[in-house]
Amino acid sequence: EADIYQTPRYLVIGTGKKITLECSQTMGHDKMYWYQQDPGMELHLIHYSYGVNSTEKGDLSSESTVSRIRTEHFPLTLESARPSHTSQYLCASRNTGELFFGEGSRLTVL
Amino acid sequence: GDSVTQMEGPVTLSEEAFLTINCTYTATGYPSLFWYVQYPGEGLQLLLKATKADDKGSNKGFEATYRKETTSFHLEKGSVQVSDSAVYFCALKGSGGSYIPTFGRGTSLIVHP
Repeated sequence: EADIYQTPRYLVIGTGKKITLECSQTMGHDKMYWYQQDPGMELHLIHYSYGVNSTEKGDLSSESTVSRIRTEHFPLTLESARPSHTSQYLCASRNTGELFFGEGSRLTVL
Repeated sequence: GDSVTQMEGPVTLSEEAFLTINCTYTATGYPSLFWYVQYPGEGLQLLLKATKADDKGSNKGFEATYRKETTSFHLEKGSVQVSDSAVYFCALKGSGGSYIPTFGRGTSLIVHP
């Protein structure tokens, strides 16, 4: 059982709202990742972190931002949500081997 | 750069049929290879992995062998069940110290009773 948690699981909000998707892991992993998963299932890396105070943008351009103030916490923030941000967001972490994923946050922006 | 190519889905099978999902990769050095599974409404979870050439990963009746000569890591199962219906992702982690895993595009498997 993976010890990585995402909240909220589901969120419906209006355009222009600020939202934060939470991700926490209790495994002490240094590396954490945010993926956006489109309806066609493909995963797109939007942000990652090597450790505390390190954040990098991934392959997919995103209007979101992330922070890594504590090892266990890697929140993703959208300052002004738009309908194009409607998607499934998956958080993951790893040490040296495989990735451990949270259950995802499904965001719908009206 | 590294890349993973897996067969497009959906793959539709009857229960107890044999399953193969093809996966080939491009990478320098000696990557580690993974299969992840995503059940409806959930995140991905590791199904099996192999870290060096000729290793066979296995779990829940699924198997995949790391073939360096053909740069492949095909997923197989002898007899699928309805509960195996999910999306399967092939992935690699490069050996060059990269922090970024590389994923295939996913293959949907639908198993009918």
